[in-house]
Amino acid sequence: GQNIDQPTEMTATEGAIVQINCTYQTSGFNGLFWYQQHAGEAPTFLSYNVLDGLEEKGRFSSFLSRSKGYSYLLLKELQMKDSASYLCAVLDSNYQLIWGAGTKLIIKP
Amino acid sequence: IAGITQAPTSQILAAGRRMTLRCTQDMRHNAMYWYRQDLGLGLRLIHYSNTAGTTGKGEVPDGYSVSRANTDDFPLTLASAVPSQTSVYFCASSDGLAGGNLIQFFGPGTRLTVL
Repeated sequence: GQNIDQPTEMTATEGAIVQINCTYQTSGFNGLFWYQQHAGEAPTFLSYNVLDGLEEKGRFSSFLSRSKGYSYLLLKELQMKDSASYLCAVLDSNYQLIWGAGTKLIIKP
Repeated sequence: IAGITQAPTSQILAAGRRMTLRCTQDMRHNAMYWYRQDLGLGLRLIHYSNTAGTTGKGEVPDGYSVSRANTDDFPLTLASAVPSQTSVYFCASSDGLAGGNLIQFFGPGTRLTVL
């Protein structure tokens, strides 16, 4: 079966750095996405990785290792508005997105 | 209005009733999707459409039907609602199936409760 694993919940301090991990086992791989979802709102796109390595976009970076079936999202200089759920999703061989259950990130002052 | 709209925002429905959730996008995207999101579970694909006139089944299609008569609209119908269909439903769209066109954009969601 297809499986995306990420921690259920993480806590971090305002101004700090946090790394959210995602491991996957899917039938085929056509890219990995990270989305942010604030409570009661729709998911919004953060990043897309299809090749190994680190993609940096402002305070957010995403890393991919296809051989290890592993990705992480790195958030720097945390702000209170970063409190949200972070969803990892993999595009499988049928070009369908397989979603993890999400990691709820709690930022404390 | 740019993006994706969904209606209604929320609905309470008696079991056995028929219900259509509406989704409209104005980005001229080719592909559209319906997901349900339940607590503790990832988004699950119900149905999708790669282009107007075509539809396909996702991971959890039973009890749901869709149509794609034109590019902009992708309604989801529950023929006879059951309590297990209580969920938050998201409609999404993407420009295509390759490269940056794969990014899916989501509507605000419909919160459906079936009693």
